[in-house]
Amino acid sequence: NAGVTQTPKFRILKIGQSMTLQCAQDMNHNYMYWYRQDPGMGLKLIYYSVGAGITDKGEVPNGYNVSRSTTEDFPLRLELAAPSQTSVYFCASSDTGELFFGEGSRLTVL
Amino acid sequence: EDQVTQSPEALRLQEGESSSLNCSYTVSGLRGLFWYRQDPGKGPEFLFTLYSAGEEKEKERLKATLTKKESFLHITAPKPEDSATYLCAVQAWGGTSYGKLTFGQGTILTVHP
Repeated sequence: NAGVTQTPKFRILKIGQSMTLQCAQDMNHNYMYWYRQDPGMGLKLIYYSVGAGITDKGEVPNGYNVSRSTTEDFPLRLELAAPSQTSVYFCASSDTGELFFGEGSRLTVL
Repeated sequence: EDQVTQSPEALRLQEGESSSLNCSYTVSGLRGLFWYRQDPGKGPEFLFTLYSAGEEKEKERLKATLTKKESFLHITAPKPEDSATYLCAVQAWGGTSYGKLTFGQGTILTVHP
């Protein structure tokens, strides 16, 4: 099984550009999440979804949007990128409690 | 608001030198406490879930314990391959999602041969 797959692994954006981080899972998990990780700050929840068509904000949702049209996919949209969005982004999925994480997407906004 | 504090921020050990990592937490009602291992450039990898005070779980050289205020990750006779960042997270009762974990900032463990 591939588990949780994130693309791209690395990306450099200019201020004001937009992009989508892709996330797919093949474990048939209902729950999916987007976290960001900054040095020394731990993981912060951006958005989460409890099933197809249902999403909700986490702790730090400003500047991001999500959609969940299928069980497998949970893309994260960055609109009007800002330097504060420079971070490592992790997608995760779960079924019984513990989360399974992807390898991460490292985003730099210059 | 749920909070998780891990200490120390960094820990350097010699191979075979046992030690413990601490995770202090405040949560409205603990549903579960999770330990993850994270290698550089990788996503966190699940290690343990603890649900109630007094519970212990072991995996190879690692043992996790839980009290009502904190959790410890004990590392016995560590090897260089145990070097990683160890993350602690809590999940509270309530809310609409299983996985809304609140994470600590992590402890960076380095084991020298």
